[in-house]
Amino acid sequence: EVQLVQSGAEVKKPGESLRISCKASGYIFTNSWISWVRQMPGKGLEWMGRIDPGDSYTNYSPSFQGHVSISVDKSMNTAYLQWSTLKASDTAVYYCARSDSRCDSWGQGTLVTVSS
Amino acid sequence: QSALTQPRSVSGSPGQSVTISCTGTSSDVGGYNYVSWYQQHPDKAPKLVLYDVDRRPSGVPDRFSGSKSGNTASLTISGLQAEDEAEYHCCSYAGSYNLIFGGGTKLTVL
Repeated sequence: EVQLVQSGAEVKKPGESLRISCKASGYIFTNSWISWVRQMPGKGLEWMGRIDPGDSYTNYSPSFQGHVSISVDKSMNTAYLQWSTLKASDTAVYYCARSDSRCDSWGQGTLVTVSS
Repeated sequence: QSALTQPRSVSGSPGQSVTISCTGTSSDVGGYNYVSWYQQHPDKAPKLVLYDVDRRPSGVPDRFSGSKSGNTASLTISGLQAEDEAEYHCCSYAGSYNLIFGGGTKLTVL
């Protein structure tokens, strides 16, 4: 069974850095891309970008390019989403998903709250 | 890259059919047969219900069907059930390894 298990909720202050994780199991990790998707409170889903765990190739939505960084640790079957400088507008639930042309398995979501 | 356009809400009575539209451009919906749909109940992760326009993952009832014409894709749910009440999101491949979502549609079962 494919499973994506994300790290727990975070509360941060503006300007702080953060890395959240997504641990995959039940399939060959390097065979499928991992996407990150944002859902702001009461809003729809926004595709942020994705990574090929095989070679760490990434591509980002223009809306998120330069503000977040996606990486993987193949030895841990884990993907990461990282911010160097958080803003209050980054408050949202973040999902990881196994994806190619579709997102067929999703993590449970990680709530990130950024507030002074 | 603007989000795909979905109606904010639709509704239907149990047993009826509803259709949710998803309009994009020739660079996404119209350019590829890679439209997928997701069901999301409150405070839950999204769940894939259709992919490649009209294909159902294992376990999804055949009450869920999909189609596409030009730059608009559609999800139809027939024989509405109370458990179908949820938010529905469309998604399309947009070239260059990019995906794009719609704004989401709230389905209310009356």
